[in-house]
Amino acid sequence: TQLLEQSPQFLSIQEGENLTVYCNSSSVFSSLQWYRQEPGEGPVLLVTVVTGGEVKKLKRLTFQFGDARKDSSLHITAAQPGDTGLYLCAAGGAGSYQLTFGKGTKLSVIP
Amino acid sequence: DSGVTQTPKHLITATGQRVTLRCSPRSGDLSVYWYQQSLDQGLQFLIQYYNGEERAKGNILERFSAQQFPDLHSELNLSSLELGDSALYFCASGGGLLGPQHFGDGTRLSIL
Repeated sequence: TQLLEQSPQFLSIQEGENLTVYCNSSSVFSSLQWYRQEPGEGPVLLVTVVTGGEVKKLKRLTFQFGDARKDSSLHITAAQPGDTGLYLCAAGGAGSYQLTFGKGTKLSVIP
Repeated sequence: DSGVTQTPKHLITATGQRVTLRCSPRSGDLSVYWYQQSLDQGLQFLIQYYNGEERAKGNILERFSAQQFPDLHSELNLSSLELGDSALYFCASGGGLLGPQHFGDGTRLSIL
Protein backbone atom coordinates (compact mmCIF):
# COMPACT_ATOMS: atom_id res chain seq x y z
CA THR A 1 0.00 0.00 0.00
CA GLN A 2 1.36 3.39 -1.02
CA LEU A 3 1.54 5.97 1.73
CA LEU A 4 1.17 9.59 0.66
CA GLU A 5 2.47 12.28 2.99
CA GLN A 6 1.12 15.77 2.44
CA SER A 7 2.63 18.90 3.89
CA PRO A 8 1.89 21.21 5.44
CA GLN A 9 -1.22 19.89 7.17
CA PHE A 10 -2.61 23.41 7.64
CA LEU A 11 -1.80 26.66 5.89
CA SER A 12 -3.30 30.07 6.54
CA ILE A 13 -2.21 32.94 4.30
CA GLN A 14 -3.29 36.40 3.22
CA GLU A 15 -4.98 37.04 -0.10
CA GLY A 16 -2.40 37.73 -2.80
CA GLU A 17 0.37 35.56 -1.31
CA ASN A 18 1.94 32.58 -3.08
CA LEU A 19 2.09 29.10 -1.59
CA THR A 20 3.28 25.58 -2.31
CA VAL A 21 1.96 22.32 -0.91
CA TYR A 22 3.65 18.96 -1.24
CA CYS A 23 2.79 15.32 -1.70
CA ASN A 24 5.50 12.73 -1.11
CA SER A 25 5.89 8.98 -1.05
CA SER A 26 8.62 6.35 -0.90
CA SER A 27 6.82 4.49 -3.70
CA VAL A 28 6.71 5.22 -7.42
CA PHE A 29 3.34 6.34 -8.75
CA SER A 30 1.97 5.40 -12.14
CA SER A 31 -0.17 8.54 -11.98
CA LEU A 32 -1.08 11.22 -9.49
CA GLN A 33 -4.18 13.32 -9.13
CA TRP A 34 -4.88 16.49 -7.16
CA TYR A 35 -8.36 17.15 -5.80
CA ARG A 36 -9.87 20.10 -3.94
CA GLN A 37 -12.59 19.55 -1.36
CA GLU A 38 -14.77 22.32 0.04
CA PRO A 39 -16.78 21.99 3.26
CA GLY A 40 -19.95 19.95 2.81
CA GLU A 41 -18.91 18.69 -0.60
CA GLY A 42 -17.00 15.83 -2.13
CA PRO A 43 -13.51 16.19 -3.63
CA VAL A 44 -13.30 17.60 -7.16
CA LEU A 45 -10.49 16.66 -9.53
CA LEU A 46 -8.10 19.48 -10.44
CA VAL A 47 -5.47 17.65 -12.50
CA THR A 48 -3.89 14.30 -13.35
CA VAL A 49 -0.14 14.01 -13.95
CA VAL A 50 1.42 10.93 -15.49
CA THR A 51 4.92 11.64 -16.76
CA GLY A 52 7.93 12.23 -14.51
CA GLY A 53 8.94 15.90 -14.63
CA GLU A 54 5.55 16.92 -16.01
CA VAL A 55 4.30 20.43 -15.26
CA LYS A 56 0.67 21.38 -15.72
CA LYS A 57 -0.90 24.80 -15.27
CA LEU A 58 -4.51 25.54 -14.42
CA LYS A 59 -4.90 29.33 -14.27
CA ARG A 60 -3.02 30.35 -11.08
CA LEU A 61 -2.31 26.74 -10.07
CA THR A 62 0.87 24.97 -11.19
CA PHE A 63 1.25 21.23 -10.64
CA GLN A 64 4.58 19.45 -10.87
CA PHE A 65 5.29 15.71 -10.89
CA GLY A 66 8.75 14.74 -9.69
CA ASP A 67 11.23 13.21 -12.12
CA ALA A 68 11.21 9.93 -10.19
CA ARG A 69 7.39 9.96 -9.95
CA LYS A 70 7.54 9.77 -6.14
CA ASP A 71 6.52 13.33 -5.31
CA SER A 72 4.40 16.19 -6.52
CA SER A 73 3.78 19.81 -5.67
CA LEU A 74 1.00 22.30 -6.14
CA HIS A 75 1.90 25.98 -6.33
CA ILE A 76 -0.75 28.69 -6.15
CA THR A 77 0.11 32.20 -7.28
CA ALA A 78 -1.69 35.20 -5.80
CA ALA A 79 -4.06 33.14 -3.68
CA GLN A 80 -7.72 34.16 -3.55
CA PRO A 81 -10.32 33.44 -0.84
CA GLY A 82 -12.00 31.12 -3.34
CA ASP A 83 -8.90 28.90 -3.18
CA THR A 84 -9.79 27.99 0.40
CA GLY A 85 -10.33 24.28 0.83
CA LEU A 86 -8.74 20.90 1.49
CA TYR A 87 -6.21 19.90 -1.17
CA LEU A 88 -5.79 16.17 -1.57
CA CYS A 89 -3.32 14.22 -3.64
CA ALA A 90 -4.22 10.72 -4.77
CA ALA A 91 -2.11 8.08 -6.43
CA GLY A 92 -2.90 5.03 -8.46
CA GLY A 93 -0.65 2.02 -8.77
CA ALA A 94 0.20 0.40 -12.09
CA GLY A 95 -2.85 -1.29 -13.54
CA SER A 96 -4.94 -0.38 -10.51
CA TYR A 97 -8.22 1.50 -10.46
CA GLN A 98 -7.85 2.04 -6.73
CA LEU A 99 -6.72 5.45 -5.51
CA THR A 100 -4.79 6.07 -2.31
CA PHE A 101 -5.33 9.54 -0.88
CA GLY A 102 -3.09 11.67 1.29
CA LYS A 103 -4.61 13.29 4.37
CA GLY A 104 -4.61 16.66 2.67
CA THR A 105 -3.52 20.24 3.22
CA LYS A 106 -6.20 22.51 4.64
CA LEU A 107 -5.73 25.95 3.08
CA SER A 108 -7.35 29.13 4.37
CA VAL A 109 -6.93 32.32 2.36
CA ILE A 110 -7.82 35.37 4.40
CA PRO A 111 -9.24 38.38 2.55
CA ASP B 1 -22.84 19.26 -9.58
CA SER B 2 -20.86 16.01 -10.00
CA GLY B 3 -23.89 14.01 -11.11
CA VAL B 4 -23.37 11.54 -8.25
CA THR B 5 -26.24 11.44 -5.76
CA GLN B 6 -25.90 10.20 -2.21
CA THR B 7 -28.68 9.75 0.31
CA PRO B 8 -29.25 10.47 3.08
CA LYS B 9 -27.14 13.58 3.65
CA HIS B 10 -27.07 13.08 7.41
CA LEU B 11 -27.72 10.03 9.54
CA ILE B 12 -27.78 9.86 13.32
CA THR B 13 -28.09 6.52 15.02
CA ALA B 14 -26.95 4.55 18.06
CA THR B 15 -24.26 1.97 18.68
CA GLY B 16 -25.18 -1.55 17.62
CA GLN B 17 -27.57 -0.39 14.91
CA ARG B 18 -27.46 -1.02 11.16
CA VAL B 19 -27.72 1.59 8.41
CA THR B 20 -27.77 1.63 4.62
CA LEU B 21 -26.22 4.39 2.55
CA ARG B 22 -27.27 4.82 -1.06
CA CYS B 23 -25.42 6.08 -4.12
CA SER B 24 -26.55 6.76 -7.67
CA PRO B 25 -23.58 7.14 -10.04
CA ARG B 26 -23.27 9.57 -12.92
CA SER B 27 -25.17 8.56 -15.99
CA GLY B 28 -23.05 6.15 -18.01
CA ASP B 29 -20.53 5.34 -15.26
CA LEU B 30 -20.21 1.64 -14.53
CA SER B 31 -17.83 1.93 -11.56
CA VAL B 32 -18.79 2.93 -8.04
CA TYR B 33 -16.27 3.51 -5.26
CA TRP B 34 -16.96 3.91 -1.55
CA TYR B 35 -14.72 5.91 0.79
CA GLN B 36 -14.72 6.76 4.48
CA GLN B 37 -13.36 10.14 5.57
CA SER B 38 -12.48 10.84 9.17
CA LEU B 39 -10.37 13.60 10.72
CA ASP B 40 -7.54 11.31 11.79
CA GLN B 41 -7.46 8.83 8.89
CA GLY B 42 -8.30 11.03 5.94
CA LEU B 43 -10.07 9.60 2.90
CA GLN B 44 -9.86 5.80 3.00
CA PHE B 45 -10.88 3.58 0.10
CA LEU B 46 -13.38 0.92 1.14
CA ILE B 47 -14.57 -0.96 -1.93
CA GLN B 48 -15.16 -0.70 -5.68
CA TYR B 49 -17.87 -2.22 -7.86
CA TYR B 50 -17.87 -2.37 -11.63
CA ASN B 51 -21.08 -3.20 -13.48
CA GLY B 52 -22.43 -5.16 -10.54
CA GLU B 53 -19.28 -7.05 -9.66
CA GLU B 54 -16.85 -6.37 -6.81
CA ARG B 55 -13.56 -5.24 -8.36
CA ALA B 56 -11.33 -4.05 -5.53
CA LYS B 57 -11.39 -4.09 -1.77
CA GLY B 58 -9.64 -1.67 0.55
CA ASN B 59 -9.84 -1.09 4.27
CA ILE B 60 -13.40 -2.29 4.63
CA LEU B 61 -14.42 -3.87 7.93
CA GLU B 62 -16.22 -7.20 8.00
CA ARG B 63 -19.21 -5.42 9.59
CA PHE B 64 -19.54 -3.40 6.37
CA SER B 65 -20.78 -4.71 3.04
CA ALA B 66 -21.78 -3.23 -0.28
CA GLN B 67 -23.50 -4.17 -3.48
CA GLN B 68 -24.23 -2.69 -6.87
CA PHE B 69 -27.59 -3.33 -8.46
CA PRO B 70 -28.51 -3.89 -12.14
CA ASP B 71 -29.50 -0.23 -12.48
CA LEU B 72 -25.93 0.56 -11.26
CA HIS B 73 -26.91 2.26 -8.02
CA SER B 74 -25.00 1.03 -5.01
CA GLU B 75 -25.65 0.58 -1.32
CA LEU B 76 -23.19 0.46 1.55
CA ASN B 77 -24.47 -1.44 4.58
CA LEU B 78 -22.91 -0.75 7.97
CA SER B 79 -23.88 -3.02 10.86
CA SER B 80 -23.12 -3.38 14.58
CA LEU B 81 -22.19 0.27 14.52
CA GLU B 82 -19.52 1.57 16.88
CA LEU B 83 -18.69 5.12 17.94
CA GLY B 84 -15.58 4.98 15.75
CA ASP B 85 -17.71 4.50 12.64
CA SER B 86 -18.79 8.13 12.85
CA ALA B 87 -17.43 9.69 9.68
CA LEU B 88 -18.26 11.06 6.26
CA TYR B 89 -18.96 8.34 3.71
CA PHE B 90 -18.41 9.24 0.08
CA CYS B 91 -19.40 7.50 -3.08
CA ALA B 92 -17.61 8.21 -6.36
CA SER B 93 -18.17 7.01 -9.89
CA GLY B 94 -16.14 7.00 -13.07
CA GLY B 95 -12.43 6.50 -12.60
CA GLY B 96 -10.66 4.07 -14.81
CA LEU B 97 -6.88 3.95 -14.94
CA LEU B 98 -6.31 7.66 -15.38
CA GLY B 99 -9.80 9.07 -15.35
CA PRO B 100 -11.25 11.29 -12.65
CA GLN B 101 -13.46 9.96 -9.94
CA HIS B 102 -16.59 12.06 -9.51
CA PHE B 103 -17.64 12.31 -5.89
CA GLY B 104 -21.03 12.79 -4.34
CA ASP B 105 -21.48 15.19 -1.45
CA GLY B 106 -21.30 12.41 1.11
CA THR B 107 -23.37 11.05 3.96
CA ARG B 108 -22.42 12.27 7.42
CA LEU B 109 -22.92 9.41 9.85
CA SER B 110 -23.02 10.19 13.56
CA ILE B 111 -23.13 7.39 16.10
CA LEU B 112 -24.38 8.37 19.55
